[in-house]
Amino acid sequence: QKEVEQDPGPLSVPEGAIVSLNCTYSNSAFQYFMWYRQYSRKGPELLMYTYSSGNKEDGRFTAQVDKSSKYISLFIRDSQPSDSATYLCAMSENAGNMLTFGGGTRLMVKP
Amino acid sequence: DGGITQSPKYLFRKEGQNVTLSCEQNLNHDAMYWYRQDPGQGLRLIYYSQIVNDFQKGDIAEGYSVSREKKESFPLTVTSAQKNPTAFYLCASSRMAGAYNEQFFGPGTRLTVL
Repeated sequence: QKEVEQDPGPLSVPEGAIVSLNCTYSNSAFQYFMWYRQYSRKGPELLMYTYSSGNKEDGRFTAQVDKSSKYISLFIRDSQPSDSATYLCAMSENAGNMLTFGGGTRLMVKP
Repeated sequence: DGGITQSPKYLFRKEGQNVTLSCEQNLNHDAMYWYRQDPGQGLRLIYYSQIVNDFQKGDIAEGYSVSREKKESFPLTVTSAQKNPTAFYLCASSRMAGAYNEQFFGPGTRLTVL
């Protein structure tokens, strides 16, 4: 079993839909959580960064962490075709550790 | 214009050959990383360096080697000992090592073994 699991998709939604992307993990010591967006044939770029549990909002994006369920989510409101990309979650036990990445979920937003 | 550059974008190698992938950054970052990305596997850490002339193995270092002679440069050599080298290779850098510091990624090199 992988330490961090993501549904690979592809997830196809119409423009304007609310998108929910999720990761589950097995290591209860993880407390730093990130979401990266990767466009095709490009390097990933950091979208959201949360520490421990709770929610964080940035524009159309909301990141949620539920440590009791070992589950994190990224919500995208009013999705746009430009949001079409692969979304990778990443996490770490503490600030000095390296990141453990999920396999990524491919999202397609259709006009 | 600050950032990370990787070259070449595409690389083809015959079996049994060593190849070196270039990574350069002008962000004045201390830490640099090499990842391998395979379909559905996410990013797996090959090597990382926290400071010049020092580097550590990541989760999948076998068959790879690195050097860090300059702060700006962190080349990766894929040796003939790497059993399945065909993959997308990503270089990243951060101000310091560790999850607290945002990693900035280069555009990647796609290596294909013929």
